[in-house]
Amino acid sequence: QVQLQESGPGLVKPSETLSLSCAVSGYSISSGYFWGWIRQSPGKGLEWIGNIYYNGDTYYNPSLKSRATLSIDTSTNRFSLMVFSVTAADTAVYYCARLGDYNRWHFFDFWGQGTLVTVSS
Amino acid sequence: AIQVTQSPSSLSASVGDRVTITCRASQGVRNGLGWYQHKPGKAPKLLIFAASTLQTGVPSRFSGAGSATDFTLTISSLQPEDFATYYCLQDSNYQWTFGQGTKVEIK
Repeated sequence: QVQLQESGPGLVKPSETLSLSCAVSGYSISSGYFWGWIRQSPGKGLEWIGNIYYNGDTYYNPSLKSRATLSIDTSTNRFSLMVFSVTAADTAVYYCARLGDYNRWHFFDFWGQGTLVTVSS
Repeated sequence: AIQVTQSPSSLSASVGDRVTITCRASQGVRNGLGWYQHKPGKAPKLLIFAASTLQTGVPSRFSGAGSATDFTLTISSLQPEDFATYYCLQDSNYQWTFGQGTKVEIK
C-alpha cells in the first residue's frame, strides 16, 4: 500500500519561501508515476499546484505565476515543493499525492493527510 | 487553460435520495475527468476516474457518466456517510483543474 506523508514548517513569513517535502513509502518513486501537490485555502476549494514525473519532468498550474518549483529525490524516495514570495493567500492545507494512470488518464489515487501552512509575520 | 464549472455549489438532501452533480469543461477533455469526495480534516478520496470507472473499494451507489465537456456524478441512494464535499478534476494535456466543489448537506 502506497503511503505519503507531508512535512515542513507550519508557519512562514510573508515574502519568504514555503518548502514542503513528501515522503513516500510502499513504492519506489523511481519506478514510475507522476507525483503532485494540491492545496486548499481556508473556506475554498481544492487547487492543483503541480506534478512531477519520476524522470523529473514538471507541470505547473499557471495561476501560481512561476512561483512554484517541484523536485524529486529518488535516493530518499521523496519529492518536494517550494513556493516563493509567499503572501497570506498561500495559507492553506497542502497535500501531496500520487497520480495513478489508466490508459492515458491520470488521477490522484493515494494522498497524504495534508499539512497546514500559515503565512504570517 | 481549461476551466471547469461545477454545479450546484451546494445541495440539501435526505438519506435515500438520488443526487446528481454536474461538471462542464470549457473545452473537450474526452474521458479525462474524475470525482473526489472530501470530508473535513481528511484527505480527498478518489471515487471515479476516466469519467465512469469506479475506483476499487468505492460503493456501487456512486456512478459517473459523460465525455467531452459534460460529466455527471450520481449517488443513487444517499447514505449518512456520503455527506461531504465533492470535486471533479479534469486531466487534459498535462494540466489539471478542479471544479469549485459541491457541498452535500443533510436536509
